[in-house]
Amino acid sequence: QVQLKESGPGLVQPSQTLSLTCTVSGFSLTSYHVSWVRQPPGKGLEWMGVIWTGGSTAYNSLLKSRLSISRDTSKSQVFLKMNSLQTEDTATYYCARDYHYWGQGVMVTVSS
Amino acid sequence: DIVMTQTPLSLSVAIGQSASISCKSSQSLKYSDGKTYLNWVFQSPGQSPKRLIYQVSKLDSGVPDRFSGTGSETDFTLKISRVEAEDLGVYYCCQGSYSPYTFGAGTKLELK
Repeated sequence: QVQLKESGPGLVQPSQTLSLTCTVSGFSLTSYHVSWVRQPPGKGLEWMGVIWTGGSTAYNSLLKSRLSISRDTSKSQVFLKMNSLQTEDTATYYCARDYHYWGQGVMVTVSS
Repeated sequence: DIVMTQTPLSLSVAIGQSASISCKSSQSLKYSDGKTYLNWVFQSPGQSPKRLIYQVSKLDSGVPDRFSGTGSETDFTLKISRVEAEDLGVYYCCQGSYSPYTFGAGTKLELK
């Protein structure tokens, strides 16, 4: 069955780079695109970016200068890297396929 | 970027009553393939989001037919007839027609 699972550090220092991995199963990354979505505590969902089946990407306009999404199709993994983290980047980060299948999310706190 | 405006942001209903949520986009969501990629996503407290409806009106598998989606171009509505306790949470509209994709602010459905 289709599954997505996020992994990464729970705590990141301000100004540092966040690296997250989304490991998928039950489908191929060359057949379905995967998005990253985040949710600050007590707030709404924010679309961050997508990697499409062909490997091209698109990003949230407000984040694009700091954000990079890539993948390793052989490992069924999608990667998110975001630099210059600030406290406002504290959030639960989700990867999702079609908004239909979602990971459990990974909580990331930006704090010294 | 396309702005998704949801109203109301909060809605109090009694069990068994109906509820309606509006979502307006800042430009038409009809894509060049003729389809309109407007989704409704639901999040109950502490859980990952879950898609209920895609392409304006198509119910995902397992979603009760108490839920319905209507609309076109820039105006969309989610209706829930006979609200049940399990329906309480936050509903988001989100567009997948034009990158960067965007979410509405969310509508919190609460018990009256």
